[in-house]
Amino acid sequence: DTAVSQTPKYLVTQMGNDKSIKCEQNLGHDTMYWYKQDSKKFLKIMFSYNNKELIINETVPNRFSPKSPDKAHLNLHINSLELGDSAVYFCASSRSLLGSTDTQYFGPGTRLTVL
Amino acid sequence: KNQVEQSPQSLIILEGKNCTLQCNYTVSPFSNLRWYKQDTGRGPVSLTIMTFSENTKSNGRYTATLDADTKQSSLHITASQLSDSASYICVVSASNTGNQFYFGTGTSLTVIP
Repeated sequence: DTAVSQTPKYLVTQMGNDKSIKCEQNLGHDTMYWYKQDSKKFLKIMFSYNNKELIINETVPNRFSPKSPDKAHLNLHINSLELGDSAVYFCASSRSLLGSTDTQYFGPGTRLTVL
Repeated sequence: KNQVEQSPQSLIILEGKNCTLQCNYTVSPFSNLRWYKQDTGRGPVSLTIMTFSENTKSNGRYTATLDADTKQSSLHITASQLSDSASYICVVSASNTGNQFYFGTGTSLTVIP
């Protein structure tokens, strides 16, 4: 009964490939997020979806495209993978946007390695 | 420029001892400040959330303080345990359009027996 789940946990792929990471939350939350954590452990928000609408779209390359088929899912698709995309990607959810005091719940992360 | 800075970058303490982690921020307009604990290989877990009007909040052996005037926060860990070894991340939310939030680079804490 994991609150926020991600698949796969590990992803190793060649440069230039296209890959997707899936995220699902069973908390009934309205808002979901994607973060990238680099090798220095710095977390950076990539996208935020509130009720299936994009709210925050930080300056990430357009090779990254979030897709939210419904409130419980926010998938991340990456085209033409580059070496610099290697990182741990975290999905998270909260009841509403983080301007409120709602707790944010993170998934276990997906470690992406681009060769 | 909105920034969140944490210190120290890393810390090693003996089991049973107390420690204090610092977070200074320049985020404006301020909405709230959060402390997260991130174990190695796992996602961050929320410890405390503080708004402008709160200056202390506890969660078990973790006590966070907030001074909105000086834009400083601290996380105090009492009677440390080996399981406290983790990264601790400070996150500040801004209350402007888009509800932007800003992450610190974290403090890596190691508790040794």
